[in-house]
Amino acid sequence: DTAVSQTPKYLVTQMGNDKSIKCEQNLGHDTMYWYKQDSKKFLKIMFSYNNKELIINETVPNRFSPKSPDKAHLNLHINSLELGDSAVYFCASSQERDPRDTQYFGPGTRLTVL
Amino acid sequence: AQSVTQLGSHVSVSEGALVLLRCNYSSSVPPYLFWYVQYPNQGLQLLLKYTSAATLVKGINGFEAEFKKSETSFHLTKPSAHMSDAAEYFCAVRKAAGNKLTFGGGTRVLVKP
Repeated sequence: DTAVSQTPKYLVTQMGNDKSIKCEQNLGHDTMYWYKQDSKKFLKIMFSYNNKELIINETVPNRFSPKSPDKAHLNLHINSLELGDSAVYFCASSQERDPRDTQYFGPGTRLTVL
Repeated sequence: AQSVTQLGSHVSVSEGALVLLRCNYSSSVPPYLFWYVQYPNQGLQLLLKYTSAATLVKGINGFEAEFKKSETSFHLTKPSAHMSDAAEYFCAVRKAAGNKLTFGGGTRVLVKP
């Protein structure tokens, strides 16, 4: 009964490949997020969706494309992977009726680009 | 623009000693403030949050934090460290009207026996 789940947990791939990371939440939340955590542990938001609508789109290369088929799922597709994309990617969700709402994080996907 | 500064990227404490993690924010309006903990190879978990009710906020695992508007601070404390407190701790800020959660750089806590 995991609240926010991500697959895969680890992803090792070659430069130039295209890969996807999937995220699902069973909390009934309206909003989902993707964060990137770099090797120095710095966390930065990439995207946010509310009821399948993109509401935050930070300065992220357009090789990254989020897709939300329904409000319980938010996938991240990355084209033409580069070495600098190596990081841990976290999905999160919140009720988002209020900025005080807690964001719940998934376990992360560690992406390594060789 | 809002930002968060965590003083000290690493903190080492002895088991049983006080844990003090510093967080200062800058925001044009009083923000909402959060502390999250990240255990090795795991996602982030909320410890506590300030939501403009009480300025002293109690969280899980014996942690608490005090919001001080005059000092623009939200420092996290725990009176007695336990080995299981070894983790990375993140302070985060969110404006009342905004949507983005902005994180500080994190503080790694090491607990010595």
